[in-house]
Amino acid sequence: DVKVTQSSRYLVKRTGEKVFLECVQDMDHENMFWYRQDPGLGLRLIYFSYDVKMKEKGDIPEGYSVSREKKERFSLILESASTNQTSMYLCASSPPGSNQPQHFGDGTRLSIL
Amino acid sequence: ILNVEQSPQSLHVQEGDSTNFTCSFPSSNFYALHWYRWETAKSPEALFVMTLNGDEKKKGRISATLNTKEGYSYLYIKGSQPEDSATYLCAFALSSGGGADGLTFGKGTHLIIQP
Repeated sequence: DVKVTQSSRYLVKRTGEKVFLECVQDMDHENMFWYRQDPGLGLRLIYFSYDVKMKEKGDIPEGYSVSREKKERFSLILESASTNQTSMYLCASSPPGSNQPQHFGDGTRLSIL
Repeated sequence: ILNVEQSPQSLHVQEGDSTNFTCSFPSSNFYALHWYRWETAKSPEALFVMTLNGDEKKKGRISATLNTKEGYSYLYIKGSQPEDSATYLCAFALSSGGGADGLTFGKGTHLIIQP
C-alpha cells in the first residue's frame, strides 16, 4: 500500500515564525502536492511538483514556498507564518498524469497564534 | 480559477436506502474527473478516476457515471450502510498537455447514514 507520511498531526506556531511541513512518500511517485482544507472552501492546491527540484504554483501559493530535493520528500514552507494560515494541510502523491489517483497523508492541523 | 460544484452540500440517509449526488465541472478542456471518500480522522481515499464520456465505474455498492459534454458526474450508493458516512469529494483535472497539473476540488457532499 502507498504510504504518505506527514511529519506532524498537530502543530502550533507563532506569528512571524518560519514553519516547515514535511511529507514523505514511499511509492516512488513523481508527482507530489500540497493542499489546504478550510471549512466551507474545500481542498485548495497550494503547490505541486512533478519531479525533483521542479515546482509549480497552484491556486493559492501566496505566503508559501516548497522544496523538493529528493523524490520522496516534499516540504511546504511558511516563510513568515500569519494567523490566516491556520488550517489543515494535506500532502498527496501520485504517478505521472492527472488521470492517476492521488494518495493522501493524514494531514497536519496547523494553528498560528 | 475553475468552478467545481457539488450538490447537495450535506445529506442524511436512512440505513438501507440508496442515494446519489452530483458533481458539476467545466465541459471544456476536460482531462479527468476524480471521486474521493474522506472519513473523519482519516485521509481522503480515491474511489474512481474517469476520463471518457459515458464512463461508468463501480466499486462494491458505489458507482459513478460521467458526462463530459454537459459537465457532470453522479455518484451512487446502493443500500447505504453506516460505514458509508463520509464526505465525498469530486475533483476536476484540466487538459494541458497531459502534465502533472493539480486537481480542482469541489467542496464535497457530507453524507450521514442514520441507523
